[in-house]
Amino acid sequence: AQSVTQLDSQVPVFEEAPVELRCNYSSSVSVYLFWYVQYPNQGLQLLLKYLSGSTLVKGINGFEAEFNKSQTSFHLRKPSVHISDTAEYFCAVSDQTLEGGKLIFGQGTELSVKP
Amino acid sequence: EAEVAQSPRYKITEKSQAVAFWCDPISGHATLYWYRQILGQGPELLVQFQDESVVDDSQLPKDRFSAERLKGVDSTLKIQPAELGDSAMYLCASNRVGNEQFFGPGTRLTVL
Repeated sequence: AQSVTQLDSQVPVFEEAPVELRCNYSSSVSVYLFWYVQYPNQGLQLLLKYLSGSTLVKGINGFEAEFNKSQTSFHLRKPSVHISDTAEYFCAVSDQTLEGGKLIFGQGTELSVKP
Repeated sequence: EAEVAQSPRYKITEKSQAVAFWCDPISGHATLYWYRQILGQGPELLVQFQDESVVDDSQLPKDRFSAERLKGVDSTLKIQPAELGDSAMYLCASNRVGNEQFFGPGTRLTVL
């Protein structure tokens, strides 16, 4: 079984500052890793994913994440945030099945960007 | 760009009533998921379909919830009777290969 822990429930940050949203996972099998963003009363949008290969993954809207297998972490970073980045961010894992496995989500991190 | 469609977007009902949600996945996506997201939490899987067959419904409260995908395309999730604790966002997702799931806009259910 897998589990995901997002270490910060809320992250306030000023506009144009860098930000890191932390995610640790636990699994007895190899996993795929994802970050999703959710705006109020909307569905989830994929920011980026790690399936294999390079441990540094670049996504949309200037976000990137680094997979660290030894620390079982997949932290999300952005060098300079905008007001429009204010949203809820979810880290998720799934096991490596060809058919597509269910996603196990963390509790979410609310990113609040202030002017 | 193809999207997952869900309806209704919002539903308000009284407890003990029946409610139903509809999802139309992206064309060609064989796998369909229903997730429930309680306010302030991450989504949790309720049921997973592969074509018309249920792959995982271990977290579906089967005494009141049912889900079907009769022709392996669109899907309906039903709650009967609704309880106060069912108030949540119900999200539908689909995928074809690999593990990138595409999510619909969700149905926000409020049970009074």
